[in-house]
Amino acid sequence: DTGVSQNPRHKITKRGQNVTFRCDPISEHNRLYWYRQTLGQGPEFLTYFQNEAQLEKSRLLSDRFSAERPKGSFSTLEIQRTEQGDSAMYLCASSKNFGEFGTNEKLFFGSGTQLSVL
Amino acid sequence: SQQGEEDPQALSIQEGENATMNCSYKTSINNLQWYRQNSGRGLVHLILIRSNEREKHSGRLRVTLDTSKKSSSLLITASRAADTASYFCASNQAGTALIFGKGTTLSVSS
Repeated sequence: DTGVSQNPRHKITKRGQNVTFRCDPISEHNRLYWYRQTLGQGPEFLTYFQNEAQLEKSRLLSDRFSAERPKGSFSTLEIQRTEQGDSAMYLCASSKNFGEFGTNEKLFFGSGTQLSVL
Repeated sequence: SQQGEEDPQALSIQEGENATMNCSYKTSINNLQWYRQNSGRGLVHLILIRSNEREKHSGRLRVTLDTSKKSSSLLITASRAADTASYFCASNQAGTALIFGKGTTLSVSS
């Protein structure tokens, strides 16, 4: 399977714990995105990488959230001191595009990591 | 924040009927895209229409774009049970990330 891979599929944690999710994009894709989705809503943009550089981060994103893409391949999203409001599906997507960001970006999504904070 | 708003929120039809979903957006856009999401899964890209295009077809899908009204529609013809899913419009401006609407949930019964 050469699609976008996310691990784990499900994560249950207690409030206050730290969690880390991993995303492996399609191998030749240079751009990687993290979105968050709650029930009945569309995906909400969190952050975006071009190769290893984090180029945009949502202003709505708490300082408890941090993302890395150290070698321009896989990415991790860490949430520190989780809160019940962090419960959501965390989606990763990738794309291959060398034009200006936002120009005809067609995203390929993984199946997501469902986070439940108790 | 959500750029697009889909209408209706939910749609139930019989197999063989056509399904039409509408999307309105707030600011000028570079392009508009439609994605499908099956329950509990990631999104799948369906079609992209550029801001200078008015209509585009892909198989049983037809998308229109009216930039003067800041709206788009997705038509699925001859629907099948397998089309049951949530459908999202998404758009962006140059230099910004793709922003999604809240989606339309389509149920196709056989």
